[in-house]
Amino acid sequence: DTAVSQTPKYLVTQMGNDKSIKCEQNLGHDTMYWYKQDSKKFLKIMFSYNNKELIINETVPNRFSPKSPDKAHLNLHINSLELGDSAVYFCASSQRHENEQFFGPGTRLTVL
Amino acid sequence: GQQLNQSPQSMFIQEGEDVSMNCTSSSIFNTWLWYKQDPGEGPVLLIALYKAGELTSNGRLTAQFGITRKDSFLNISASIPSDVGIYFCAANFGNEKLTFGTGTRLTIIP
Repeated sequence: DTAVSQTPKYLVTQMGNDKSIKCEQNLGHDTMYWYKQDSKKFLKIMFSYNNKELIINETVPNRFSPKSPDKAHLNLHINSLELGDSAVYFCASSQRHENEQFFGPGTRLTVL
Repeated sequence: GQQLNQSPQSMFIQEGEDVSMNCTSSSIFNTWLWYKQDPGEGPVLLIALYKAGELTSNGRLTAQFGITRKDSFLNISASIPSDVGIYFCAANFGNEKLTFGTGTRLTIIP
């Protein structure tokens, strides 16, 4: 009965590779998010989707492409991975216009 | 952009002590939230505050939305070992974009 789930939990890959992280929520929310947490634990929003429509797009390299097949899923695809992409990526969800966001367990990405 | 300054950065306390941390900003916000993150996990929502001056409790936790709408504090009474973790404030100005504080790492000394 996990509310927000992400796969994989850990991802280790070489520079230049392309990888995807998947997120699913069963809370019935209509808005989903991707956050990046750096080594200093700073959390920064990357993207937000509402009912499959992009509503927040922070200054993120266009190597990062979110995709939302339906309102319960938001995947993150990263092309041409770089060392600086190493971080923990969190998916979150909420009901639009409600401020309480619920987070997944995170995906630790390590680029070698 | 908007930034939330959270203090202290870290705290070392003994079990049973009370804890206080705060978050300040140069900008006004409509909502303040407090999250806790355990190692290897995602942030978990503890308390949400929606009105200036609001004081809300959740068990041993109490949080307040500052009257100026530019700050918030979180108190934990009678700390226990499971309180260990990183506490984040977060704030929002009426859209979906949450801005997070820099975090307060709480350690309990045996």
